[in-house]
Amino acid sequence: DIQMTQSPSSLSASVGDRVTITCRASQSISTYLNWYQQKPGKAPKLLIYSASSLQSGVPSRFSGSGSGTDFTLTVSSLQPEDFATYYCQQSFITPGTFGQGTKLEIK
Amino acid sequence: EVHLVQSGAEVKKPGESLRISCKGSGYSFTTYWITWVRQMPGKGLEWMGTIDPNDSYIKYSLSFEGHVTISADKSINTAYLQWSTLEASDTAMYYCARRGGTGTPFDYWGQGTLVTVSS
Repeated sequence: DIQMTQSPSSLSASVGDRVTITCRASQSISTYLNWYQQKPGKAPKLLIYSASSLQSGVPSRFSGSGSGTDFTLTVSSLQPEDFATYYCQQSFITPGTFGQGTKLEIK
Repeated sequence: EVHLVQSGAEVKKPGESLRISCKGSGYSFTTYWITWVRQMPGKGLEWMGTIDPNDSYIKYSLSFEGHVTISADKSINTAYLQWSTLEASDTAMYYCARRGGTGTPFDYWGQGTLVTVSS
């Protein structure tokens, strides 16, 4: 299986901050990388697919980049509703493994 | 509008069997794969297995193969996840999610089914 490693595991930030989360794959996955946001008690929500494509309805402050093994999710200016846990997931091969998650907390 | 609606929360004892469901609506059910994802309490997301409802081709994660069974009934737009012998370690939230073909993301998710296994 492809291993997905996110960093950091947790992050404290303030409203208005720019934050970046990193995801690394154990082998090349081209751009088959997706990002999800999960809030407590809710199902995950797709934010970014194919490494850099913004899902319909997702605010433009979210962006993704990368290819091969290294990827980033950036939130340009944090809003109160952005404090959640973020997961990367590779869809290159099955099983479509997830990263361990990054919990974004209010400072 | 696309919806994946899962069956309700379950409380079971170790050794019991269980089947939970995921009903799709608002789209062509046989055009998209359904994947089951486990989330243990306070933990991350784990890909369990996926099914093509069109022909019931199934791919399991090695971590789950042999312990769960995935199936689908395309006549009623429903996918299933079942256990023949539950263990306490099966206590978790289970999500179904839709994806297109190879390489596509999970664009719609069910609301989750909480399974609690306790004696």
